[in-house]
Amino acid sequence: EVQLVESGGGLVKPGGSLRLSCAASGFPFSSYNMNWVRQAPGKGLEWVSSISETSSYIYHAESVKGRFTISRDNAKNSQYLQMNSLRVEDTAVYYCARAAERTGWYFDLWGRGTLVTVSS
Amino acid sequence: DIQMTQSPSTLSASVGDRVTITCRASQSISFWLAWYQQKPGKAPKLLIYKASALEIGVPSRFSGSGSGTEFTLTIISLQPDDFATYYCQQHYTYSYTFGQGTKLEIK
Repeated sequence: EVQLVESGGGLVKPGGSLRLSCAASGFPFSSYNMNWVRQAPGKGLEWVSSISETSSYIYHAESVKGRFTISRDNAKNSQYLQMNSLRVEDTAVYYCARAAERTGWYFDLWGRGTLVTVSS
Repeated sequence: DIQMTQSPSTLSASVGDRVTITCRASQSISFWLAWYQQKPGKAPKLLIYKASALEIGVPSRFSGSGSGTEFTLTIISLQPDDFATYYCQQHYTYSYTFGQGTKLEIK
């Protein structure tokens, strides 16, 4: 089955760290650019980070630049989001999403999401 | 960053109606625009990409149009399953910004 499964979310105090994982299956993971998108409770979608097939290109939203790092391991069919210096405003459901084409950064496959709560 | 603005924020309609949602970009994005549908507690679902290309499996009552800075998503003959929140997203350049969403409610 073609799917993405996120894990690693949870409750963390402000200033803390968390590492999210996304396991892919059912498609050639190394052939796709990958992304993280988040959604704060009751709010809209916010693009967070993107990484190209071979990790040659990495992009982060200004809101997380310097604090979050996206990475991937094609041998493990997985991507990751290392989140440091977490803030209350980082509280959100974090979705792993596949970019549909090499040159088309629209997202055709999404995971169910993992909830990150930053609170003291 | 390119800003994406959707209108209206909320739309009330009835089953069988035809509705249109507008998305405006703060600068030209050519045809690099996608539309998603999201239901409560679920991940977004891709409906349309490159402004007017229908994703496989999406019903033909959904259509997209536009280029440059102004785009529309049209749903003809609304079905009960269509009541959800819709987002546009520019996929022209990073950061791949989303609109704020349009909630389509049952009248």
